[in-house]
Amino acid sequence: DAKTTQPPSMDCAEGRAANLPCNHSTISGNEYVYWYRQIHSQGPQYIIHGLKNNETNEMASLIITEDRKSSTLILPHATLRDTAVYYCIVRPMDSSYKLIFGSGTRLLVRP
Amino acid sequence: SQTIHQWPATLVQPVGSPLSLECTVEGTSNPNLYWYRQAAGRGLQLLFYSVGIGQISSEVPQNLSASRPQDRQFILSSKKLLLSDSGFYLCAWNSWTANTGELFFGEGSRLTVL
Repeated sequence: DAKTTQPPSMDCAEGRAANLPCNHSTISGNEYVYWYRQIHSQGPQYIIHGLKNNETNEMASLIITEDRKSSTLILPHATLRDTAVYYCIVRPMDSSYKLIFGSGTRLLVRP
Repeated sequence: SQTIHQWPATLVQPVGSPLSLECTVEGTSNPNLYWYRQAAGRGLQLLFYSVGIGQISSEVPQNLSASRPQDRQFILSSKKLLLSDSGFYLCAWNSWTANTGELFFGEGSRLTVL
């Protein structure tokens, strides 16, 4: 089980922020939230991860709610190259062995 | 720097034929290794993972097997392919010592079984 729920598809205009939600209401205290994306016909690419605090890197920002039951990945200025499937995954801290992917959100960035 | 390679990139095989996909990792030692499969229009399904030489865990029952003959080599095999084995196969690795959970993926192998 993926343990996360994401909308199947979203779209946004190029240059605007893309906000991708993820519900992980059963997350445990020792589980991280990870985001990956997969551009068509390529392997998934790591974006960002977090435990409790909001995180930001050169690709995106991750906002985790205080109760940790949901999170939002923010692409601040979406480009056409950001069109991809985005996966939200929870992973227990005590296992580095497995990442279980769900169906993800297919983001279409419109020109 | 670490790199991961898998091959072949594309193959078309008849039903009942054998399969061998190979994956190698460079620039790291004792990686965790994974095989995922993605059927057309579907998400990624974890097939096998390995935490060391000769140590293979299977996630789903299937017509496939995996082996890890060397520390940085992971092989996916089948003795007789089925139509349902068609898909995009991805090898991945992460570091046990780093324990960040970040997975690094290969370029993928697209298998079509006819």
